[in-house]
Amino acid sequence: DAGVIQSPRHEVTEMGQEVTLRCKPISGHNSLFWYRQTMMRGLELLIYFNNNVPIDDSGMPEDRFSAKMPNASFSTLKIQPSEPRDSAVYFCASSFAQGARDEQFFGPGTRLTVL
Amino acid sequence: KQEVTQIPAALSVPEGENLVLNCSFTDSAIYNLQWFRQDPGKGLTSLLLIQSSQREQTSGRLNASLDKSSGRSTLYIAASQPGDSATYLCAVTGANNLFFGTGTRLTVIP
Repeated sequence: DAGVIQSPRHEVTEMGQEVTLRCKPISGHNSLFWYRQTMMRGLELLIYFNNNVPIDDSGMPEDRFSAKMPNASFSTLKIQPSEPRDSAVYFCASSFAQGARDEQFFGPGTRLTVL
Repeated sequence: KQEVTQIPAALSVPEGENLVLNCSFTDSAIYNLQWFRQDPGKGLTSLLLIQSSQREQTSGRLNASLDKSSGRSTLYIAASQPGDSATYLCAVTGANNLFFGTGTRLTVIP
């Protein structure tokens, strides 16, 4: 298995632009998680899906952030409009579980820089 | 809210030494605890997962223990190697969330 796939690996954009991050979970996994990692705040869970349904989005910082999972093999995290403070590494992870209770497998991350 | 603390923040040891990384958490109502490794510029690799009913897990040179009542976990690395150099993070799982520590950056000196 190729593991969790994220694209792009690096994204540089200007403030105010829309940013879309993509994730393909491991085939057969039914839970998908989006995390953000910064030096100041460490790793934070933004949102997670179970069977393509958003279960907990309490970590989404603002309305500028939205996430979708149209099918079991694809998810997007969108930031519109982007701001410099959104600069971080965004990780996607997946697991074969109900909820956040089982072993999660992480993608390589997308390093986002908002100028 | 669950708070996860890892001490020390950074650690340097000579190759071959055994070492212990520490993780503490404030809320003992957890489902499991997971140890990850993160290499610079890379994602997280799961090392060990301990269910709340377990006391320890072992994988090769790694041994993780869990004392839920005291809110502590340790990761023991035996006979450290330069390839073990990375940041090690622990994460505890609550009802619907995973709380991460800030990690311990380990450097194993050849």
